Formats: sequence, structure tokens, C-alpha cells
Amino acid sequence: ELKVEQNPLFLSMQEGKNYTIYCNYSTTSDRLYWYRQDPGKSLESLFVLLSNGAVKQEGRLMASLDTKARLSTLHITAAVHDLSATYFCAVDQVGSGTYKYIFGTGTRLKVLA
Amino acid sequence: DGGITQSPKYLFRKEGQNVTLSCEQNLNHDAMYWYRQDPGQGLRLIYYSQIVNDFQKGDIAEGYSVSREKKESFPLTVTSAQKNPTAFYLCASGYSHYGYTFGSGTRLTVV
Repeated sequence: ELKVEQNPLFLSMQEGKNYTIYCNYSTTSDRLYWYRQDPGKSLESLFVLLSNGAVKQEGRLMASLDTKARLSTLHITAAVHDLSATYFCAVDQVGSGTYKYIFGTGTRLKVLA
Repeated sequence: DGGITQSPKYLFRKEGQNVTLSCEQNLNHDAMYWYRQDPGQGLRLIYYSQIVNDFQKGDIAEGYSVSREKKESFPLTVTSAQKNPTAFYLCASGYSHYGYTFGSGTRLTVV
């Protein structure tokens, strides 16, 4: 059974600081996804990582994937208050020709002014 | 504009009552999914459908039912057998290569 774990679960950081969120998963998968969720809202797609070594950047966020280590990271550079949200990673679980995402527990990020 | 529409936004259920959550998409996606989110938790898969007239149980299907009679529509019924239905329900569609598109969600509360 595929398990997806994120750490930390909660992160409070000062504006201007850097930090990394980690996403570990338990079985082989070449595809990983990052989403953002604001309180009471739906999920917004941030990054789609489709191969080992994939790196994508958007603004102050950068995501990478190491399929051999079964690890993805979401790096935050010079955090600003607008980045406060919950971040989820999700991994494709493939079986019997079907695809479905298994989500991590989420990391609740709070950026303090 | 293409997207996924969930309705209603808020729904209140009485004990022993069945309620149906609507999910409609005009993105021409074959695959559609229902997830449940409890406060402060991640998303758990209830049901998914890869094609019309076919669907599979996810990890927490007990107490729920779905149908997929049209490509655009994937309604979820929360039955009276679901003893703890209060949660935020999210519908999604898409191809995993591109990332799913999510609807705006339905917040269900038992009264």
C-alpha cells in the first residue's frame, strides 16, 4: 500500500527566510504533484513532476523529485506572507491500468511578518 | 471557460437522510474522482471513475455511492450508512500527467 508522508506538518517562519518541505513515499512512482490549499478553499495545482531529477520553479517556490530516494522537496525562498497556506504532495498510485492520487498529510505553512 | 462545478457549496444533512453532491465538468476528461477532507487532514479517495458507466471504490467507499451515466457528471450520494459524514468533499477530474483539476468543494454538515 502506497503511503505518502510530509514533514513538517506545521511550519511557522519569518518573512524573508528559506525553508524546505519534504515529501516521502513508500513505493515506486515516477510522478509527483504539489498542490496549495488556502483555508476553506479548493486545491490549486502548483507543480507536476514526471521524471527522476525533475525540477520546476515558480516564483519563490521550487520543487524537485528524486525517484530513487522516493523523495520530493518543495523549497521556499525568501518567504512572504502570501505563501501562507497548506501544501500537499500527491503521488500516482498505478494499478490494474488505473491511476489515482494518494495525498500526503499536508504541511500547514504560516509566514510571519 | 472550462472547469469543474460542484454544488451545493454548503449542505446540511439530517440523521438517516441520503444526500447527493453534484459534480459537473466541461473539460472533456474521462477520469473523475471524489475525495473527502476532514479538518486539518489530507485528502482521502472515496470513489473514482476512469470512463463512463464504470467506477471503482477508493479507500473509504463505505457509506457512499456514485454513478457515471454521462462523461460530464459524477454525482456522489452520502447514504445514511455513513455515520460520520461531516467533511469537505472535493471532486476532481483530469489526467495524471497534467495534474488534476479540482472543483470548489461542498461542505457537508450533519444537523
